[in-house]
Amino acid sequence: QSALTQPPSASGSPGQSVTISCIGTSSDVGGYNYVSWYQQHPGKAPKLMIYDVTKRPSGVPDRFSGSKSGNTASLTVSGLQAEDEADYYCYSYAGMNTYVFGSGTTVTVL
Amino acid sequence: EVQLVQSGAEVKKPGESLRISCEVSGYSFTTYWISWVRQMPGKGLEWMGRIAPDDSNNNYSPPFQGHVTISVDKSVNTAYLQWSSLKASDTAVYYCARHGGTPAVDIWGQGTMVTVSS
Repeated sequence: QSALTQPPSASGSPGQSVTISCIGTSSDVGGYNYVSWYQQHPGKAPKLMIYDVTKRPSGVPDRFSGSKSGNTASLTVSGLQAEDEADYYCYSYAGMNTYVFGSGTTVTVL
Repeated sequence: EVQLVQSGAEVKKPGESLRISCEVSGYSFTTYWISWVRQMPGKGLEWMGRIAPDDSNNNYSPPFQGHVTISVDKSVNTAYLQWSSLKASDTAVYYCARHGGTPAVDIWGQGTMVTVSS
């Protein structure tokens, strides 16, 4: 059960968009529509931003959106704001009541 | 308000045992599974395992199977993560988190820092 693959870093200027990829396999990302994304600021607990590939919990800005194609899921943050600077992790159901996180991506707002 | 409140930071020696806790409030404890997640210093999130509070059915990620035990006490709405013999490599922040009706974990505890050092 290897970690899902994410780019270590991504960046964009305020107002721009950034997209983070999350590459898995047919046993996790590709096999189920159960990909979530979490935002983590330094020293804080993670926060759910997207679940079930595309759904946003109440209170999460619509600037955050999720998608999936095959074994790759993506998180797009549109209209980047300073407070979006954080670490982002994807997470997928991997069958047999097990789950796996991605390796994490640090987003920098330039 | 749904809350998961974890026990405080721990400093232990290698070989010692430890149990940390996660007390939930604001919802029916037995309704949703609880997972534990490790974050080693400066590293990413790792899913360790999960438990169904109603029947204590649990699943572990292979790297953690046999090294930790996840349990619950329904009488006090609390989930536990325990070690019988800590290693220095167990030094990390440990989070409990609730699966709110989908495979995603939607509510997180504040984290418990465990330091294992001789």
